[in-house]
Amino acid sequence: GAGVSQSPSNKVTEKGKDVELRCDPISGHTALYWYRQSLGQGLEFLIYFQGNSAPDKSGLPSDRFSAERTGGSVSTLTIQRTQQEDSAVYLCASSPGRANNEQFFGPGTRLTVL
Amino acid sequence: AQSVTQPDIHITVSEGASLELRCNYSYGATPYLFWYVQSPGQGLQLLLKYFSGDTLVQGIKGFEAEFKRSQSSFNLRKPSVHWSDAAEYFCAVGPSGTYKYIFGTGTRLKVLA
Repeated sequence: GAGVSQSPSNKVTEKGKDVELRCDPISGHTALYWYRQSLGQGLEFLIYFQGNSAPDKSGLPSDRFSAERTGGSVSTLTIQRTQQEDSAVYLCASSPGRANNEQFFGPGTRLTVL
Repeated sequence: AQSVTQPDIHITVSEGASLELRCNYSYGATPYLFWYVQSPGQGLQLLLKYFSGDTLVQGIKGFEAEFKRSQSSFNLRKPSVHWSDAAEYFCAVGPSGTYKYIFGTGTRLKVLA
């Protein structure tokens, strides 16, 4: 079956502009995660959804970052007034939703802020 | 606080040589442990995972890992590396009963022909 998909694969934007990153999880997966991967860094947890609710937003680095999930499926990560330090690969993962389940990752969106 | 350390940022091995990638974790109890591989431009793919039971875990692509409680380690091994194994490898810890993983900073593997 289809895996996790993310769009766009690459995004170049100017400082101060808003961007939206999309994630389509595996069908039936109730849990969805967003991570940020900066050059030379590990994966930084951003936010976790269970269904349409986000019980843990603790990883969002500032109030410029927000995310939503609709219909228990597609999720959008929005970054407002982008800064150069937002440049990174943003990875989405989904899982069946039970604790400690394997997470299935999408290919990521590479964001470059000029 | 829980943490994961991958001490080797880069490792270079010759094709056909054996490989061991190190992972140490800090956690008060036995966590759930994972190894993922990331090829260039790709997402992360699960190689193997340890929840309980036999401390030697077999994964895909000929990889295995051994959980050593006394050393708080979960090192990844492969007896004979192939050129296609060149990638970045991430160790992750998932504290029992949670949804949240803590990832190491990764080890980038280069394979010489």
